[in-house]
Amino acid sequence: GAGVSQSPSNKVTEKGKDVELRCDPISGHTALYWYRQRLGQGLEFLIYFQGNSAPDKSGLPSDRFSAERTGESVSTLTIQRTQQEDSAVYLCASRGPISGNTIYFGEGSWLTVV
Amino acid sequence: EDQVTQSPEALRLQEGESSSLNCSYTVSGLRGLFWYRQDPGKGPEFLFTLYSAGEEKEKERLKATLTKKESFLHITAPKPEDSATYLCAVQAKYSSASKIIFGSGTRLSIRP
Repeated sequence: GAGVSQSPSNKVTEKGKDVELRCDPISGHTALYWYRQRLGQGLEFLIYFQGNSAPDKSGLPSDRFSAERTGESVSTLTIQRTQQEDSAVYLCASRGPISGNTIYFGEGSWLTVV
Repeated sequence: EDQVTQSPEALRLQEGESSSLNCSYTVSGLRGLFWYRQDPGKGPEFLFTLYSAGEEKEKERLKATLTKKESFLHITAPKPEDSATYLCAVQAKYSSASKIIFGSGTRLSIRP
């Protein structure tokens, strides 16, 4: 696609429920990143994919967080047993051979845990 | 440890009043330095990538410059639509591709 697409754009969930956030990277982009941004704060790295493998998962805050990528395309970030502190915007970015080192972001998925 | 520090945290300017935002970085060799603009409720929008000291890039009223220790984003004669948070990020040369570290941003507000 023309840009990075994320869904849902907004999600309100009850504490304890699981949520799945989806990212469609720019077509042809082999690298994919997930970041978290709490209200009024900076970007916090979560996980990086090169192709379908995740060589760096160091930013995942707990074992409630997991992510996968299939077909060197779509990625899903799953948060199990959500807590109120998980409320944030989850941003996906991708990078490809033509973009060099530059990563391009989607509009984010806003998660509110009540 | 690789670090990025942006200053000031917030900046209020009058329309037409030029100024500069600072991004200081500490990395073990710079692969790239990136500037993004983020509007409320939106994802970061790419502005510039700089690779080596002395490099400059321009786009409309914005100009980014790079030294061995810091980068500046110069805003000339800003307009209210330039109001946004400006983010700086760096990627170190001798680290994995995942290590793109962001600063906490500068919130810029331009009064008409």
